[in-house]
Amino acid sequence: DAGVTQSPTHLIKTRGQQVTLRCSPKSGHDTVSWYQQALGQGPQFIFQYYEEEERQRGNFPDRFSGHQFPNYSSELNVNALLLGDSALYLCASSLAGVHGELFFGEGSRLTVL
Amino acid sequence: AQKITQTQPGMFVQEKEAVTLDCTYDTSDQSYGLFWYKQPSSGEMIFLIYQGSYDEQNATEGRYSLNFQKARKSANLVISASQLGDSAMYFCAMSKTEAAGNKLTFGGGTRVLVKP
Repeated sequence: DAGVTQSPTHLIKTRGQQVTLRCSPKSGHDTVSWYQQALGQGPQFIFQYYEEEERQRGNFPDRFSGHQFPNYSSELNVNALLLGDSALYLCASSLAGVHGELFFGEGSRLTVL
Repeated sequence: AQKITQTQPGMFVQEKEAVTLDCTYDTSDQSYGLFWYKQPSSGEMIFLIYQGSYDEQNATEGRYSLNFQKARKSANLVISASQLGDSAMYFCAMSKTEAAGNKLTFGGGTRVLVKP
């Protein structure tokens, strides 16, 4: 039973570029959330997708956008990259209405030069 | 707004001993969930244990137990019989309701180093 998978694991971009990160949820899960974790800090909630719609959003600018596909996988897009966007981006999946567990992937580590 | 505070930035523990990681929270919600995650250097967030705000018994999962004191708004993690593989960052987090789909608010984490 595959857990949450994310790609790519590492990537390097330059300021002003755009990046797309991908996430496949754990089998049977239908909700995907994205988090940004800066070095030495706890993760910060970016947004959550359920039924292909953004359901909740954290305090992130519109440069951060996402999408959920019919198979429940998801993408996180960041436009006009800034140095401060360098972070570990974590995807978490869950089943709507079921409490207790959010499963995370291993993350995509983005470096912006 | 919800807030999680972890006051111990780092701590050492001797192998085979127990360790308690502190977590206090602040919320005006009546229904919420509390989580603990382990993050090794690889970066993955590994789920350890969950406590719902209406659960009367403290949660336990193997060597992990959650000491839930609702009146004090604390949710400390106890790791018994520490192992070298327990060396990692530990994060306390909470959600607004007991449903897993809601967003998590994380604390700043505690780094644990287990000494042989």
